[in-house]
Amino acid sequence: AQSVAQPEDQVNVAEGNPLTVKCTYSVSGNPYLFWYVQYPNRGLQFLLKYITGDNLVKGSYGFEAEFNKSQTSFHLKKPSALVSDSALYFCAVRDMIEEGKLIFGQGTTLQVKP
Amino acid sequence: NAGVTQTPKFQVLKTGQSMTLQCAQDMNHEYMSWYRQDPGMGLRLIHYSVGAGITDQGEVPNGYNVSRSTTEDFPLRLLSAAPSQTSVYFCASSYSRTSQLFFGEGSRLTVL
Repeated sequence: AQSVAQPEDQVNVAEGNPLTVKCTYSVSGNPYLFWYVQYPNRGLQFLLKYITGDNLVKGSYGFEAEFNKSQTSFHLKKPSALVSDSALYFCAVRDMIEEGKLIFGQGTTLQVKP
Repeated sequence: NAGVTQTPKFQVLKTGQSMTLQCAQDMNHEYMSWYRQDPGMGLRLIHYSVGAGITDQGEVPNGYNVSRSTTEDFPLRLLSAAPSQTSVYFCASSYSRTSQLFFGEGSRLTVL
């Protein structure tokens, strides 16, 4: 069965500094990986995905993520954080065998301070 | 475009009552899912469907039933509500296994 781990409950970063939100996964076959963001009292919004191809994928709002197969990781990154990036971030994985199941991590709260 | 529509947005139940959370999407998506969100536990998959007439259990299916008689609708039924089912529930849909999920705005359920 697939699983996702986000090892940090909260990440704090100063505005203008680079940020990284970590994610590791476990699947039976090849993974389909996603990042979503949730603002207070809202549903989740899609940021980016990795299906195949380039290990570095670019998404919305200047975010990018690096797929590392050997480390089974898919960390979310941004070169320069904004206060408005403060939100709850979720990593999710779907595998090719149980393709209907998209499993989410516990979530990481990103706090960007001015 | 309506997207994914969930109703009701808020509901208070007494222990033992039953209810149905409605979910409808107008994007002709094959994949639909129900999640619950609890503090510190992320989103946990309750049930999912890969097409009309096909449903399967997720991570936390106990106490919930689903059906998928049409492509558009995927209702979630609580058979006998318990306080442990107090949560925020999200319905989501996607076109395919490689495409993004579109989420509803959520339904906040309190069971007393």
